[in-house]
Amino acid sequence: KQEVTQIPAALSVPEGENLVLNCSFTDSAIYNLQWFRQDPGKGLTSLLLIQSSQREQTSGRLNASLDKSSGRSTLYIAASQPGDSATYLCAVTVYNQGGKLIFGQGTELSVKP
Amino acid sequence: GAVVSQHPSRVICKSGTSVKIECRSLDFQATTMFWYRQFPKQSLMLMATSNEGSKATYEQGVEKDKFLINHASLTLSTLTVTSAHPEDSSFYICSAIRGGETQYFGPGTRLLVL
Repeated sequence: KQEVTQIPAALSVPEGENLVLNCSFTDSAIYNLQWFRQDPGKGLTSLLLIQSSQREQTSGRLNASLDKSSGRSTLYIAASQPGDSATYLCAVTVYNQGGKLIFGQGTELSVKP
Repeated sequence: GAVVSQHPSRVICKSGTSVKIECRSLDFQATTMFWYRQFPKQSLMLMATSNEGSKATYEQGVEKDKFLINHASLTLSTLTVTSAHPEDSSFYICSAIRGGETQYFGPGTRLLVL
């Protein structure tokens, strides 16, 4: 059974710092891995999607890596800003199950001005 | 493109009543929609997979008679929480697949059962 774990559960950093969020999964048979952002009481915003054949994806100040063999992904945020404060969720698409997503429990990020 | 809406965004109801939540894909046809539930400070838990024209597939531990799912068209799936109780209070989020396996998420519905 696929399980997704995110560390840390919460993180508080001063503005301007670079930071790394971690995600691990137990079964390497995944179709892709996604990172989402969720603001309090809101839905999900997709940030980055990495296909199983890819090693990383970049969008602006965000960079996500994927090491399928070790079951790990990281989300790197450069030069953090207060507006980055949110909960970040990673999720894997389970292979051959019609798009089923398994989510980690999220990392709650707070960037202090 | 790929916009998913949910209605209502918030609902408060009395214990014992039923509540219907709609999930619509506004600019694409979705053969598959998913329903998730999220309790405070927790992650999204998949409740069921909804396929147009067929019965929904429920995850283990989710009562199909309590959470009725109807996927009547390629753009609409509904979740009805029957005989709602305070422990059903949660944030319900739907998603829809537009080709491939990428899911597009709705904005969520906050349910509070008094």
